[in-house]
Amino acid sequence: AQSVAQPEDQVNVAEGNPLTVKCTYSVSGNPYLFWYVQYPNRGLQFLLKYITGDNLVKGSYGFEAEFNKSQTSFHLKKPSALVSDSALYFCAVRRWFSGGYNKLIFGAGTRLAVHP
Amino acid sequence: KAGVTQTPRYLIKTRGQQVTLSCSPISGHRSVSWYQQTPGQGLQFLFEYFSETQRNKGNFPGRFSGRQFSNSRSEMNVSTLELGDSALYLCASSLEDRGYEQYFGPGTRLTVT
Repeated sequence: AQSVAQPEDQVNVAEGNPLTVKCTYSVSGNPYLFWYVQYPNRGLQFLLKYITGDNLVKGSYGFEAEFNKSQTSFHLKKPSALVSDSALYFCAVRRWFSGGYNKLIFGAGTRLAVHP
Repeated sequence: KAGVTQTPRYLIKTRGQQVTLSCSPISGHRSVSWYQQTPGQGLQFLFEYFSETQRNKGNFPGRFSGRQFSNSRSEMNVSTLELGDSALYLCASSLEDRGYEQYFGPGTRLTVT
C-alpha cells in the first residue's frame, strides 16, 4: 500500500510568488514526516520534519510545512519563491512494520520550477 | 562535522561485472541506509545497517548485498551487473535519537554498458 503520495509531477511558480508542494500520507498511528530537496547531480538534503507538536514546522531556506491530521497532508510551503529553489522535492514518511523495524518511504518527487 | 561521503562518485561497468560502492557516515551515526534512484522507479530502499547488522531489506534480488564495519562505514556490492542497474546509488546515515531524519551523501552514479 502506498504510504506517501505527491500528486503533482511538476509545480511551476513565478519568482516572488508563494509556492506549495503537496504531500499526503497513509500510515497508521502518529506519522513521522519529512521533506527533502535534491539539486541536479546531488544527494538529498534534509529540509524539515514533523514528529509531534506544532502543526506548522519551519525548516531550512525559508521553507515550512503544515501538518494536517484530518486531511493526512503535509504540504511544503514558502512565502516567496526564488529561482534557486528550483529542484526536485521529496516527501517521506517513517513507517513501522511488524517486528519493530522501520524504514523511510519516499514519494515519487515533485519538480519545482521557479521562473524569473 | 563532515557529511556523508561516498566513493567513487562515478563508475562505468560492463554487464556481468560486479561493483562495490563505499559509504562513510557522519561521525557518530550508526545507522546507514542505501537507496537506488532511477528516473522510472524513483527512490527505492535497498537495505539498512545498524551496528554491523542488516536491519531492513528492500525488495531487490540477491545480487545486491551490503555490509557494515565496526566503524560504521558501509559497502554495497552488486554482482552480475545488468543494464537496469544503472542508477544513482545514495547512502544515508542517521542518529536514531534525532527523530530519524537521514542525511544523504552525494551518491555514486553507476552506468552499466
